[in-house]
Amino acid sequence: EAQVTQNPRYLITVTGKKLTVTCSQNMNHEYMSWYRQDPGLGLRQIYYSMNVEVTDKGDVPEGYKVSRKEKRNFPLILESPSPNQTSLYFCASSLSPQQGWTYNEQFFGPGTRLTVL
Amino acid sequence: QQPVQSPQAVILREGEDAVINCSSSKALYSVHWYRQKHGEAPVFLMILLKGGEQKGHEKISASFNEKKQQSSLYLTASQLSYSGTYFCGTAEKTSYDKVIFGPGTSLSVIP
Repeated sequence: EAQVTQNPRYLITVTGKKLTVTCSQNMNHEYMSWYRQDPGLGLRQIYYSMNVEVTDKGDVPEGYKVSRKEKRNFPLILESPSPNQTSLYFCASSLSPQQGWTYNEQFFGPGTRLTVL
Repeated sequence: QQPVQSPQAVILREGEDAVINCSSSKALYSVHWYRQKHGEAPVFLMILLKGGEQKGHEKISASFNEKKQQSSLYLTASQLSYSGTYFCGTAEKTSYDKVIFGPGTSLSVIP
């Protein structure tokens, strides 16, 4: 089954304790992205990656890091989480221009609800 | 730049129609529509690439007015299953591979 998986689905942590949220897709997509969703603000892009070893900042990258060492995985790293990073996080993937897309329908993972105390 | 969506929220009775609007201050390459049901991930509905293009998905269709830099999503004869939050995403002509999502429109269909 084609899917995007995220782990963990729920996480409660404390300020300053480093954490990683994993994201994996099995559709051979080159494009992957992280979003955070907050009430009234919609989906805001944190980072995206057009291919392995190619990453770029989205609209709200402060306080986050990503890496793309393999095509299927795109982990999100919070080196020193703060309460304002409490949010619902989504990973998404799609074909990239190099893969011949004419439109980039994004497939979203189930989400990770993060609470930073 | 984040697109603007209107209305913020709408409540419909089954069988009624609704229109959700999405507008941008930038010249657009494409408009994307997603629906997110409560507690779930957003799901792709459709994309519009050309000015004037209309697409359909079940009883949900959309139009794209390139000149006005806006798109509208039409839900006809609404069903309970249409409830959820609808997001438009816009890609600007200068950065067509980057989709920016609007704040969403909450749609509730009641019996």
